[in-house]
Amino acid sequence: DGGITQSPKYLFRKEGQNVTLSCEQNLNHDAMYWYRQDPGQGLRLIYYSQIVNDFQKGDIAEGYSVSREKKESFPLTVTSAQKNPTAFYLCASRRPGQGAGEQFFGPGTRLTVL
Amino acid sequence: GESVGLHLPTLSVQEGDNSIINCAYSNSASDYFIWYKQESGKGPQFIIDIRSNMDKRQGQRVTVLLNKTVKHLSLQIAATQPGDSAVYFCAENMGGYNKLIFGAGTRLAVHP
Repeated sequence: DGGITQSPKYLFRKEGQNVTLSCEQNLNHDAMYWYRQDPGQGLRLIYYSQIVNDFQKGDIAEGYSVSREKKESFPLTVTSAQKNPTAFYLCASRRPGQGAGEQFFGPGTRLTVL
Repeated sequence: GESVGLHLPTLSVQEGDNSIINCAYSNSASDYFIWYKQESGKGPQFIIDIRSNMDKRQGQRVTVLLNKTVKHLSLQIAATQPGDSAVYFCAENMGGYNKLIFGAGTRLAVHP
């Protein structure tokens, strides 16, 4: 079955540690996205990638880094520079087409800083 | 900055009634809109979309209406069921940027 997977589902981190969240898709989508969701709020864009080896900062990129070495994979690293990293992180990919298109979301990773 | 917002943060309805969830957007250049449903602890799921050259689009039990004059988007759910209980987000795509801007969400609670 095609889809987007994120791992782990739950992640705990000590302050000062970097952690990497995995996002993999087998939908053959070019574009991939990382969002952050805080309780009772909407999704905010962290980083996005339109194509392999290329990515752009979203609205809240500070304290995060990404890579896009393969079409299928778009890992997100939450660095120690992110002051308030506890949140629900969602990865998405977009089907190709003209202009905008539906984004497909993974199940999310809940990150808690201890 | 540009934003997508919602009029009602929480909507409670009786099972079997119709639900209407509203959304206001601020960017007149937006050319594509999507409604997503998010259940607790899960990623958003696509419900229905509409392009700016349309006023109305219907799906299974759902209808999206777009009023570009007042920059308003609504999601109508017919015969609401307990399984419809979730948070609903509208999102807009600003033309040319290929990224979505999400609203804060409306929680729909369906009571038996």
